[in-house]
Amino acid sequence: GAVVSQHPSRVICKSGTSVKIECRSLDFQATTMFWYRQFPKQSLMLMATSNEGSKATYEQGVEKDKFLINHASLTLSTLTVTSAHPEDSSFYICSAGRRNYGYTFGSGTRLTVV
Amino acid sequence: AQKVTQAQTEISVVEKEDVTLDCVYETRDTTYYLFWYKQPPSGELVFLIRRNSFDEQNEISGRYSWNFQKSTSSFNFTITASQVVDSAVYFCALSELTQGGSEKLVFGKGMKLTVNP
Repeated sequence: GAVVSQHPSRVICKSGTSVKIECRSLDFQATTMFWYRQFPKQSLMLMATSNEGSKATYEQGVEKDKFLINHASLTLSTLTVTSAHPEDSSFYICSAGRRNYGYTFGSGTRLTVV
Repeated sequence: AQKVTQAQTEISVVEKEDVTLDCVYETRDTTYYLFWYKQPPSGELVFLIRRNSFDEQNEISGRYSWNFQKSTSSFNFTITASQVVDSAVYFCALSELTQGGSEKLVFGKGMKLTVNP
């Protein structure tokens, strides 16, 4: 149980375009999902907490208008990188779960902006 | 704020050697969870263990063992008889309650383990 599916696994886009990343909980309902970003050879940094039916909570320094998060259902959260630039190139990974049961991570999305 | 320190950034061992990965944490919470994750070159995070702050029993799972010591705020991870497949980056993480009542994970910087044949 507790499977989290993340798509796409890799995406290359042109500078200035937008990219949408999906995170789905396949066998459980997730009222909360988390989006992390990992730069090469660095740790994972939480970007935002995605709350079903309400606005996401962003960490300090993360631009809300650039990283749009939508959590419209209990099994799906999406992260849209708007007007992507090369500095947005990174590994994005989502997680979902519950406090007393642990958290499962998606397989991650490697975004390259050219 | 919560903090996780993995002092070692990179370790290289020869197959069959034992290796211990250190993790020291800081928290003001009385109830928290500690985690270890493995990240192979493919990038996905593989869950290894979750430990409740009230459970200080050491745990062994095959070649993996964990030593949780609240007195020193440490949660160290030992791989016995390492294998090439153990080569990966290992992250220690600590749960932190957000203002909204949900829980996020704070990660250490990770430790890259290379096991050579």
